[in-house]
Amino acid sequence: KQEVTQIPAALSVPEGENLVLNCSFTDSAIYNLQWFRQDPGKGLTSLLLIQSSQREQTSGRLNASLDKSSGRSTLYIAASQPGDSATYLCAVGGGGADGLTFGKGTHLIIQP
Amino acid sequence: NAGVTQTPKFQVLKTGQSMTLQCAQDMNHEYMSWYRQDPGMGLRLIHYSVGAGITDQGEVPNGYNVSRSTTEDFPLRLLSAAPSQTSVYFCASSYPSNTEAFFGQGTRLTVV
Repeated sequence: KQEVTQIPAALSVPEGENLVLNCSFTDSAIYNLQWFRQDPGKGLTSLLLIQSSQREQTSGRLNASLDKSSGRSTLYIAASQPGDSATYLCAVGGGGADGLTFGKGTHLIIQP
Repeated sequence: NAGVTQTPKFQVLKTGQSMTLQCAQDMNHEYMSWYRQDPGMGLRLIHYSVGAGITDQGEVPNGYNVSRSTTEDFPLRLLSAAPSQTSVYFCASSYPSNTEAFFGQGTRLTVV
């Protein structure tokens, strides 16, 4: 059974720093990996989707990488801002119809 | 530009009551799914559907029922609510199952 782990569980950094959130998965036979953002009491907002054949995806200040063979993905946030404060979730898709397997998330606080 | 719409946003039920959580999407997505999010557990798949008339069980289906009579709608029914079903419920859709997933804003359910 696929298991997804996110480290760290919580992170607090000053504004302006570059930071890296980590995601690891136990079964490398994935179809894609998706990073989400969740604000308190809100739904999930898709940030980046990486297909298994891709190494990375970029959107603005966000860059996600995927190393399928080692079972790892990282989300890099450049020049962090207080508005980036949220919980970031990593989810792995196996390609079948049985949905996504989620990590428990990294709770990020950016201090002004 | 509605995306995935869930109703209600909040609900309090008494043990033994039944109710239906509504989910509708306007993106003509084939695949729809329901997850529950519990503290410290991450999101877990309840039921999913790969198209109208086709549904299947996910990781935690007990106590829930679904149907898919149209492409747009995927309601989740709680047959006899239990305190263990206190959770935040999210509906998601994608086209098809192994592409970018879009989530609703969630329904926060409390069973007393």
